[in-house]
Amino acid sequence: DAKTTQPPSMDCAEGRAANLPCNHSTISGNEYVYWYRQIHSQGPQYIIHGLKNNETNEMASLIITEDRKSSTLILPHATLRDTAVYYCIVSPAFLTTSGTYKYIFGTGTRLKVLA
Amino acid sequence: DAGVIQSPRHEVTEMGQEVTLRCKPISGHNSLFWYRQTMMRGLELLIYFNNNVPIDDSGMPEDRFSAKMPNASFSTLKIQPSEPRDSAVYFCASRPPGGEQYFGPGTRLTVT
Repeated sequence: DAKTTQPPSMDCAEGRAANLPCNHSTISGNEYVYWYRQIHSQGPQYIIHGLKNNETNEMASLIITEDRKSSTLILPHATLRDTAVYYCIVSPAFLTTSGTYKYIFGTGTRLKVLA
Repeated sequence: DAGVIQSPRHEVTEMGQEVTLRCKPISGHNSLFWYRQTMMRGLELLIYFNNNVPIDDSGMPEDRFSAKMPNASFSTLKIQPSEPRDSAVYFCASRPPGGEQYFGPGTRLTVT
C-alpha cells in the first residue's frame, strides 16, 4: 500500500496557482517527499523533492509542514500542459538496511487545467 | 544524455510466446527499477536492482516473470510464457545515488 494519500482529482483555471495536497503521516525520519507527474501514458516525470525545508525549482514549489506529516505541491501559474496525474511518494534517498528504497505509487491526483 | 532507453516501444505477441523487454539506464545511475502500469492496478513496482544486484523482487507477479541485470548498462525483463493479462505498459527507471528516479518512455505490451 502507498504511504501517501492524495485527493483523486482537482481542477485549476489556467494561469492560477495549483495547490496539490498530500498526506504522509507515517513518514520516517530518513524519508524524503518526492513529487512526479505523468502526462497521458508517458513515463512519470520528476518534479521536485524535499526532506523538511520548503523547496523551489523552475517547475514548482514544495511546502512541507513542520511535523512532516503532509506537504503541498504548488504550480504557481498552471498551464494546459500541466494537465496530468500528480504522484506524491515518500522514500529514502539512499539504500539502507533499515528502510525500503523503492517508490510505492498510489493513485495520485488527476489535475485538469481549464482554459 | 539520452535518458533511459527502452526497447521495443511496442510489442504485440500471441499468448504462450516469450517476450523480452530491454532497458538501458542512464550512465552513472546505480539503481534500476521495473514497473508495470495498467488501468486496473495503476503503477506497480516489479523488481529493482542496486549495483546490478536484485534487491526486492516481491512485486514480480509469478514465476513466468524474470529480470536480469548482467551489467550496469543493461537490463531485461522476460515473460515466458506470456498471457493476455500481462498486457500493460512496462516502465524502466534508473536512479543515481541519493537522487531521484528517471523513467523511460515505456514498452506497451499487448498479448493476444
